[in-house]
Amino acid sequence: DAKTTQPPSMDCAEGRAANLPCNHSTISGNEYVYWYRQIHSQGPQYIIHGLKNNETNEMASLIITEDRKSSTLILPHATLRDTAVYYCIVRAGGFKTIFGAGTRLFVKA
Amino acid sequence: EAGVAQSPRYKIIEKRQSVAFWCNPISGHATLYWYQQILGQGPKLLIQFQNNGVVDDSQLPKDRFSAERLKGVDSTLKIQPAKLEDSAVYLCASSLDPGRQGEQYFGPGTRLTVT
Repeated sequence: DAKTTQPPSMDCAEGRAANLPCNHSTISGNEYVYWYRQIHSQGPQYIIHGLKNNETNEMASLIITEDRKSSTLILPHATLRDTAVYYCIVRAGGFKTIFGAGTRLFVKA
Repeated sequence: EAGVAQSPRYKIIEKRQSVAFWCNPISGHATLYWYQQILGQGPKLLIQFQNNGVVDDSQLPKDRFSAERLKGVDSTLKIQPAKLEDSAVYLCASSLDPGRQGEQYFGPGTRLTVT
């Protein structure tokens, strides 16, 4: 079973920041937090991952709480093309990736 | 760099028939994964190869599903005989090294419909 809990769906206005929450209260010290997204009819796409510190790349920012029990993926300026299912996954190196149902993000014009 | 290639993109078969899917991972990626994604659910790992050896096939229905990765590059996934509940998207992914933090790169998938 997935070790994360995400809301089933969220809306966001185009141009605004999309903040996608994820709870992972049973995360272990050696497990990373990964985010993937899946646009309709495509395979999942890696977005970002982190262990303790906040991370940022060209796609998004990842904010991990100090106790590591939750995290937030931030898309700073959402566009219509960001409409997708977003998966939050916790995984230790060498272990398999277990996907939950994810959050369906709708970006509206 | 070229991404993960899969074929065919779509397949429709009748139950009890057999079907095969092909995957070509990103060049140099030692690890290859096959996932099954049923409509409305997240992908579920079926089998993981490290080079041409199986690392994890705990969720592969071995009475009807088989997979191979000859020469540690391309891979095929076969279903024989197919059941209605096998209707799903079959995704192939690859990564450089699963022991590291490395991300997985997914192909576009093959959508299988069993009638």
